[in-house]
Amino acid sequence: DGGITQSPKYLFRKEGQNVTLSCEQNLNHDAMYWYRQDPGQGLRLIYYSQIVNDFQKGDIAEGYSVSREKKESFPLTVTSAQKNPTAFYLCASNTPPDTQYFGPGTRLTVL
Amino acid sequence: GENVEQHPSTLSVQEGDSAVIKCTYSDSASNYFPWYKQELGKRPQLIIDIRSNVGEKKDQRIAVTLNKTAKHFSLHITETQPEDSAVYFCAASKGGSYIPTFGRGTSLIVHP
Repeated sequence: DGGITQSPKYLFRKEGQNVTLSCEQNLNHDAMYWYRQDPGQGLRLIYYSQIVNDFQKGDIAEGYSVSREKKESFPLTVTSAQKNPTAFYLCASNTPPDTQYFGPGTRLTVL
Repeated sequence: GENVEQHPSTLSVQEGDSAVIKCTYSDSASNYFPWYKQELGKRPQLIIDIRSNVGEKKDQRIAVTLNKTAKHFSLHITETQPEDSAVYFCAASKGGSYIPTFGRGTSLIVHP
């Protein structure tokens, strides 16, 4: 299943809380990505980073933040500004133009 | 930006039948088209891909065809088996940055 890990597998958030999802890869990939998956919506890009200390907004970045301080790590913070965060979050990595490889995902639920 | 349409959203077949999933894309500059299979609660995994300089690619029971003129590509699964049941996503991307746009997915159900 490759060298991409995500934690935790399940996460519960109370209203008004910020939570951080972890993504780590040991594949020496340059680029990392965060996607949100909702039923019937496919995969929507939140943020991506093609190099350390640099990242760009994807299609649905509002209410989320990221950092890329190390090549192997790309954590995603879901802030209280994200009004409907319940979803399945997938991290991916690659060295372009090669294929993306996905982590196992984190299921976030708002209580 | 790129827009990828995928049809059907649900496909139900009998074991042994063939299944075809179709995708269209809007950006004629797109040149890489991967297909992913996602089992329930699991990560998407690449099953086959095709680049724009090729019209067809096969790998055992699966094949992908690409029509650049019409801007559509299709996934073909022959002799379907119950373990083929999953959600299948198509995607399109262009250039060296490789940031794909995904279709909404097709839920394939193979009845024994």
